[in-house]
Amino acid sequence: GESVGLHLPTLSVQEGDNSIINCAYSNSASDYFIWYKQESGKGPQFIIDIRSNMDKRQGQRVTVLLNKTVKHLSLQIAATQPGDSAVYFCAEITTNSGNTPLVFGKGTRLSVIA
Amino acid sequence: GAVVSQHPSRVICKSGTSVKIECRSLDFQATTMFWYRQFPKQSLMLMATSNEGSKATYEQGVEKDKFLINHASLTLSTLTVTSAHPEDSSFYICSARRGGASNEQFFGPGTRLTVL
Repeated sequence: GESVGLHLPTLSVQEGDNSIINCAYSNSASDYFIWYKQESGKGPQFIIDIRSNMDKRQGQRVTVLLNKTVKHLSLQIAATQPGDSAVYFCAEITTNSGNTPLVFGKGTRLSVIA
Repeated sequence: GAVVSQHPSRVICKSGTSVKIECRSLDFQATTMFWYRQFPKQSLMLMATSNEGSKATYEQGVEKDKFLINHASLTLSTLTVTSAHPEDSSFYICSARRGGASNEQFFGPGTRLTVL
């Protein structure tokens, strides 16, 4: 199930099940989106990206869906494994307005139950 | 792949001292580097953007005189936390962007700062 803690919401998933992590972004001008995985004490690790001219992109075991109408992004992880346990962040950027940085969403902690 | 390193990975210092954190792009030239701060159970918050050879641009609420950023070369940026206090204890993460049309940012492994 999904719960909202003091800061980071947590999603608990049984090993082998599919995980869906959601993200609402704020800037309608954002045209490039990235999902990052962050393990404890480490920097963010790139998972998958998508540009605003697409609504779906697939990688190995991961799929990102983009709904620009409601400014929503999701990350689907197939056959979730214990090694997927981490905090997942979406990040957005507007690529056509100069050298702007990535802006990170609040993050979701994924906990895989073996 | 593009690699970004940070040094040190972990530092503990006394209140009132200054701490310097280095961020290096190991196999590419980074025209822009970004510094983020992350408190426990929170997201990464952008502190500043630095372009090689020019002054850093700080986000609202980040004191430029406290967090000194130097981007002296295309492969090195430093963040100095001056007169550190316990509330500065955090995880500091840098990222680097290649020059050209790419918007991809490569992240360092982070530096854990603990101020006693």
